[in-house]
Amino acid sequence: EAGVAQSPRYKIIEKRQSVAFWCNPISGHATLYWYQQILGQGPKLLIQFQNNGVVDDSQLPKDRFSAERLKGVDSTLKIQPAKLEDSAVYLCASSPSGGVNQPQHFGDGTRLSIL
Amino acid sequence: DQQVKQNSPSLSVQEGRISILNCDYTNSMFDYFLWYKKYPAEGPTFLISISSIKDKNEDGRFTVFLNKSAKHLSLHIVPSQPGDSAVYFCAASGFPGGGADGLTFGKGTHLIIQP
Repeated sequence: EAGVAQSPRYKIIEKRQSVAFWCNPISGHATLYWYQQILGQGPKLLIQFQNNGVVDDSQLPKDRFSAERLKGVDSTLKIQPAKLEDSAVYLCASSPSGGVNQPQHFGDGTRLSIL
Repeated sequence: DQQVKQNSPSLSVQEGRISILNCDYTNSMFDYFLWYKKYPAEGPTFLISISSIKDKNEDGRFTVFLNKSAKHLSLHIVPSQPGDSAVYFCAASGFPGGGADGLTFGKGTHLIIQP
């Protein structure tokens, strides 16, 4: 079974620029998550989708971050404009369905560096 | 305030011995706990999980113990092998409703297996 695919693997931009990340979950997984992992910390949930609907975006900085999953499959996360503190690895994860005891499976992430 | 704490940033264990990684949590609403293993430049890989209705779960060399009254869980690896050298993250989920099950992670413990 193919895993969670993310692109790009690395991105370097200057502050105040915009950036977008793409994620394709494991086939058939209804639930998709975006996490932010700052160096030295554990991943922190940004947003959770169930199919194409948002389940939880309480920790998403909505003034600059946005995410969509229009057809209930792949998803994009955007930052506009980027700040220095957004330098992190952005991880996408998926699971068959939300709200039950099952593990989430992670992609390899996109490492974002802000200059 | 950290809800999931891994108080040992690193742990060194001899090959063949037992590795014990510890995790404490503060949120009594958490009822599903997971351990993930992470190699550099890769995403976290699911290792083992435990529901709050159990106090032990075993999978090959890996055993997770849960002490709900102490809000403490531990991961035992026996015997430890060189390939076990990685960062281990403890994570928890509480299912507040609506299918939301985003994970709350600790900061991780870097396990080093010495030959």
